[in-house]
Amino acid sequence: GQQVMQIPQYQHVQEGEDFTTYCNSSTTLSNIQWYKQRPGGHPVFLIQLVKSGEVKKQKRLTFQFGEAKKNSSLHITATQTTDVGTYFCAGNQYNFNKFYFGSGTKLNVKP
Amino acid sequence: DGGITQSPKYLFRKEGQNVTLSCEQNLNHDAMYWYRQDPGQGLRLIYYSQIVNDFQKGDIAEGYSVSREKKESFPLTVTSAQKNPTAFYLCASRGSLETQYFGPGTRLLVL
Repeated sequence: GQQVMQIPQYQHVQEGEDFTTYCNSSTTLSNIQWYKQRPGGHPVFLIQLVKSGEVKKQKRLTFQFGEAKKNSSLHITATQTTDVGTYFCAGNQYNFNKFYFGSGTKLNVKP
Repeated sequence: DGGITQSPKYLFRKEGQNVTLSCEQNLNHDAMYWYRQDPGQGLRLIYYSQIVNDFQKGDIAEGYSVSREKKESFPLTVTSAQKNPTAFYLCASRGSLETQYFGPGTRLLVL
């Protein structure tokens, strides 16, 4: 069945260092979404990638979708303490009504 | 204010008791979802509904039931058959743009 794997599970960085989380799907995805969940909060939508090889940027965040549409990454440049939280990817397999979430990467940023 | 609300914020369940979690949205979204999140883990899909009076089982539907009698409402009942119900329950809705909007969540604890 559909699976979305996400690594690493945890990442501790010093403020100013970069951070990357990776998602891999066992099957080709129609699109992938990224969410951020602050401690004690609920997931908040960040971005959606649809096209093969797509790259999107939001300030210090860079999102990539692989050429085969089976993997994706989120890179944060020069982390800040406000980046703390858990980042999830969610893949959709040509069924817009069902999303498979990765297990998340918990980011801790030390000031 | 447009949004998605969940109640209660915390819920305690006794052995053998059924409890119902509320989810309401005024975003005029057709699709609604229920996810379960365990500590340090990702989101697992319990049930989803694409339209009023229709719903589908997700990956972990056993021990849960739902109804979708109104577009705005998608309550989740955790039945006594769910032997390990302690978790954070998240409701989401989705419109035509595919972005999922999450409610604040309900934390269910077993007494």
